Amino acid sequence: GAVVSQHPSWVICKSGTSVKIECRSLDFQATTMFWYRQFPKQSLMLMATSNEGSKATYEQGVEKDKFLINHASLTLSTLTVTSAHPEDSSFYICSAQRGVIEQYFGPGTRLTVT
Amino acid sequence: KNEVEQSPQNLTAQEGEFITINCSYSVGISALHWLQQHPGGGIVSLFMLSSGKKKHGRLIATINIQEKHSSLHITASHPRDSAVYICAVLGEGGSEKLVFGKGTKLTVNP
Repeated sequence: GAVVSQHPSWVICKSGTSVKIECRSLDFQATTMFWYRQFPKQSLMLMATSNEGSKATYEQGVEKDKFLINHASLTLSTLTVTSAHPEDSSFYICSAQRGVIEQYFGPGTRLTVT
Repeated sequence: KNEVEQSPQNLTAQEGEFITINCSYSVGISALHWLQQHPGGGIVSLFMLSSGKKKHGRLIATINIQEKHSSLHITASHPRDSAVYICAVLGEGGSEKLVFGKGTKLTVNP
């Protein structure tokens, strides 16, 4: 099956700093990648859709200047949480789309902002 | 609006039991995903279905498009199967957004 990796798997940062999370499709090219956020005991919430070579499409209520998404190649998308605050602490998950309907999930990145 | 309902919300079983988790959705879909999320948070894609049935090891997933219903079965359950199982559907008509169920928390006791 297709493999999607995320790096780092967990990160702790201080309030006010920025954190970059990488999402890679290891064995296929993904024209579209998705970024999700999950709070404890809640379902995944779509933050943004990222297409290679173009600007990401953000869901309503997601600050695009705070959550910077770059889809630089067909195998790599990055999410940068800028000026992180404790309320940004969450589990961030990416998925990569292969073809029209196949979507594969990364293992997630747990961000803790102190 | 597509809604995804999973049942049961919580399930406790003894090791070796046969497990069934259900997922119903309200509109036409192009694909349905079953995901597994362990307590540490990591998500594993188990199956992607658009029709019929798929099997991988002790896991079986079925989908009935007419009835808008899917089931995930686990045979000979084991404590390591303890996790949250999430159903997610991809709508028809070019929609790229997955709609997620709230998940079923499975606990398998030794």
